[in-house]
Amino acid sequence: AQTVTQSQPEMSVQEAETVTLSCTYDTSESDYYLFWYKQPPSRQMILVIRQEAYKQQNATENRFSVNFQKAAKSFSLKISDSQLGDAAMYFCAYSIIQGAQKLVFGQGTRLTINP
Amino acid sequence: DVKVTQSSRYLVKRTGEKVFLECVQDMDHENMFWYRQDPGLGLRLIYFSYDVKMKEKGDIPEGYSVSREKKERFSLILESASTNQTSMYLCASTPLPGRNEQFFGPGTRLTVL
Repeated sequence: AQTVTQSQPEMSVQEAETVTLSCTYDTSESDYYLFWYKQPPSRQMILVIRQEAYKQQNATENRFSVNFQKAAKSFSLKISDSQLGDAAMYFCAYSIIQGAQKLVFGQGTRLTINP
Repeated sequence: DVKVTQSSRYLVKRTGEKVFLECVQDMDHENMFWYRQDPGLGLRLIYFSYDVKMKEKGDIPEGYSVSREKKERFSLILESASTNQTSMYLCASTPLPGRNEQFFGPGTRLTVL
């Protein structure tokens, strides 16, 4: 069975600084998707960034980028120039490409931004 | 924009009550999912549906059932609510074929007394 592990329950960063959230996963599949989702306080979960496992290039979305290490089964999220609006729970998730597109989530990391 | 709505943001029920949580999506998505979210455990899949009247168990289906009579609506049913079902419940949907991105509802925080 696939598993996703986020070993940092809480992280904090100064506004405008850079922070990296860690995620590791376990799978025997060769093709899959990895995701980072953001859940702001009392607000809806939204997708931050997606990585296809067959792509070697790391995905980027504005201030958000990932470091995808397929052999190490590691998928970290880097947030540059942190803003107060980045404060949220962040979830790492995994999905196989075929089938019902179920997501397997990590435990979550609560990110606090210090002004 | 995809919109996924859930019938209640907050719900308080008594032990033994039958509880219905409803989810509606407006983008004609084939797949719909129910998760529960608990601190330190992340989101865990309860049930999912890949078509009308089709359903499959997720990782923690015990104590729950689901219904999907129409494509846009996916209901989660707690047949006899128990205190250990106090949790945040999130509904999500995704199209077929897709890039597996799921669109989430706002969640229902259920308290069972």
